Amino acid sequence: QKEVEQNSGPLSVPEGAIASLNCTYSDRVSQSFFWYRQYSGKSPELIMSIYSNGDKEDGRFTAQLNKASQYVSLLIRDSQPSDSATYLCAGLYSSASKIIFGSGTRLSIRP
Amino acid sequence: DTAVSQTPKYLVTQMGNDKSIKCEQNLGHDTMYWYKQDSKKFLKIMFSYNNKELIINETVPNRFSPKSPDKAHLNLHINSLELGDSAVYFCASSQEGGPVSSYNSPLHFGNGTRLTVT
Repeated sequence: QKEVEQNSGPLSVPEGAIASLNCTYSDRVSQSFFWYRQYSGKSPELIMSIYSNGDKEDGRFTAQLNKASQYVSLLIRDSQPSDSATYLCAGLYSSASKIIFGSGTRLSIRP
Repeated sequence: DTAVSQTPKYLVTQMGNDKSIKCEQNLGHDTMYWYKQDSKKFLKIMFSYNNKELIINETVPNRFSPKSPDKAHLNLHINSLELGDSAVYFCASSQEGGPVSSYNSPLHFGNGTRLTVT
């Protein structure tokens, strides 16, 4: 099993709907999780970080962490065309001080 | 501007050549990293330095040699370039990330260097 796994997509969502991005992680990853957004040809930028079980909301974004199921998700409400990008899930690798990334999910918001 | 900056933005070179990528951060962070992103967007860590000390050295060919003259700079030198080295290389920094890390410290990325080996 890869340390951090994501469905590569593409995920197509109509404008105004909720986009749901999912990520699972292995036992070797714990503590801290991050969602990054990467536009084509650009560098990843941090959207959300989450460390505790439950939900964390920031504007239109909600991160959800379920440590029992080893599952992290990102919800984007009222999706906009500008949300079209690749979303990278990342977690802290327990035995070393490094952040491990999933392979990313490509999200497309259709007008 | 406070940022992570890396140069050059684009690097086109022939197989067998040696090249370097430079990175500087003025965020006051203690830890710097090199990540490689392949054509499928998979972002993989290569190295990290904490306060000039090498912390992480992934399974990377020894043709790749990082150098950190101070905690604000981390350069990457690549010898005998191969076709498979073609990728985007990202420098990043974080406030924490050393051997003992509480790790509530996300990564801040530079704009990337697109390396093309022909």
